[in-house]
Amino acid sequence: GAVVSQHPSRVICKSGTSVKIECRSLDFQATTMFWYRQFPKQSLMLMATSNEGSKATYEQGVEKDKFLINHASLTLSTLTVTSAHPEDSSFYICSATGGWNYGYTFGSGTRLTVV
Amino acid sequence: GNSVTQMEGPVTLSEEAFLTINCTYTATGYPSLFWYVQYPGEGLQLLLKATKADDKGSNKGFEATYRKETTSFHLEKGSVQVSDSAVYFCALSDSNTGTASKLTFGTGTRLQVTL
Repeated sequence: GAVVSQHPSRVICKSGTSVKIECRSLDFQATTMFWYRQFPKQSLMLMATSNEGSKATYEQGVEKDKFLINHASLTLSTLTVTSAHPEDSSFYICSATGGWNYGYTFGSGTRLTVV
Repeated sequence: GNSVTQMEGPVTLSEEAFLTINCTYTATGYPSLFWYVQYPGEGLQLLLKATKADDKGSNKGFEATYRKETTSFHLEKGSVQVSDSAVYFCALSDSNTGTASKLTFGTGTRLQVTL
C-alpha cells in the first residue's frame, strides 16, 4: 500500500532556531500534501495544503512566514518551523494523496519540543 | 462549512464488549466518510471508508455504514480487544470536487479496553 515516510520522528531544538520536517511518498506521486498540527488529546488542525510546484495555501490564523512549506517534487514536501518558540511545541503530521480519487496516507508524525 | 461531530470519550470497555462510537456530519454535496485510528505517538491509519450513501466500510472487525438520511457514520465492532485501545477519528472529504480536498476531522474518541 501507499507509504509516507516522515522524519524526524522526534526533535528537540532551542528557542530561536529553525527546524525542518520532511515527508516523502515512497511508492506514489503525491500531487497534494497536507500539514496538520495536533495538540495533546485534541484533534488534528489543518495548517496548510500544498500542491506540487505551487505555493502552499494556508488556513486562517496560520503564519505563512513562520511555517514554511515547500513541495518542490511529487515525492517530497517539507515544513520548516522558523524561529521556533516553546508554544510551537506540538505533534506535526503530514498527509499525502495522489489525487481526488486516491486515499489519504499519513506520515507517522513528528514530535517537536522547543526548549 | 463542513463539520464532524463525534461522541466524547474516553470510552472504557471490557474485552469482548460491543463498541459503538457515534459520528454525525454536516456537509454540502456528497462527501466521502472515513474512520482513522491513531495509536500512541503515531500518525493516523485509515481504518475504513465509504464513498456514497448506504455503503458499508469494514476492516479488522470494525464497520460503519454511510447513512445520508441521518447524516451519520457510526463505528461499530462486535467484540473489542485490548489491542484496539487507541484514539478514533471520524472524518469527511468533499470527494466530488474533482480535486484533492482536505479532510475535516472530528475531535477524536479515546477507547480504552481492559481485560
